[in-house]
Amino acid sequence: QSVLTQPPSVSGAPGQRVTISCTGSSSNFGSGYSVQWYQQLPGVAPKLLIFGNGSRPSGVPDRFSGSKFGTSASLAISGLQADDEADYLCQSYDNRLNSVIFGGGTKLSVL
Amino acid sequence: QLHLQESGPGLVKPSETLSLTCTVSGGSISRSSYYWGWNRQPPGKGLEWLGSIYYSGNVYQNPSLKSRVTISVDTSKNQFSLKLNSVTAEDTAVYYCATEVTVTGGRDHWGQGTLVTVSS
Repeated sequence: QSVLTQPPSVSGAPGQRVTISCTGSSSNFGSGYSVQWYQQLPGVAPKLLIFGNGSRPSGVPDRFSGSKFGTSASLAISGLQADDEADYLCQSYDNRLNSVIFGGGTKLSVL
Repeated sequence: QLHLQESGPGLVKPSETLSLTCTVSGGSISRSSYYWGWNRQPPGKGLEWLGSIYYSGNVYQNPSLKSRVTISVDTSKNQFSLKLNSVTAEDTAVYYCATEVTVTGGRDHWGQGTLVTVSS
């Protein structure tokens, strides 16, 4: 059971916008720790998409955006493309566990 | 551009020690802006942070594994290493090394990962 809760799956049609939620608690997001988002294709290492709640590393398209409010965070992907089909994971830090924590991951299907 | 590469045995016997090394190229491990971390992902499951180290030797570890994990750095070889003792089948996973601007923040460079299977 992950400390950060993500829906197991989401789906959308090409061109549509989807959002993926990541629910935390007072000991992580609520304590001010930032959320990061990663994209992971099968058999490949995760790729950093969003850091510091809403910043994108160089090279990540602006179709990907992130936000955090209170004890929840979300990743939005607009203009869905077929190669967006992947697992998406959120990550933060928990001061009760004194540990970096990851969400269980959400599988995005592009219909 | 930093490149990270994990290396080590792909098969470890139960109760023995898992040892992996991450070799860094394209930059110095002594770069002050990075921490160097280990994460793992059991087959079909989510990611788990194992620990991180700064070039000076300061170590941060996952408390749930702290007694079994040792992370070290060798700046002369531009490498950092992971040792996990008393392994069981539950330690079977793909092990990734990665860079971290801060321990609590994003991991922006990753190795390709190496599968370690614990089996007799």
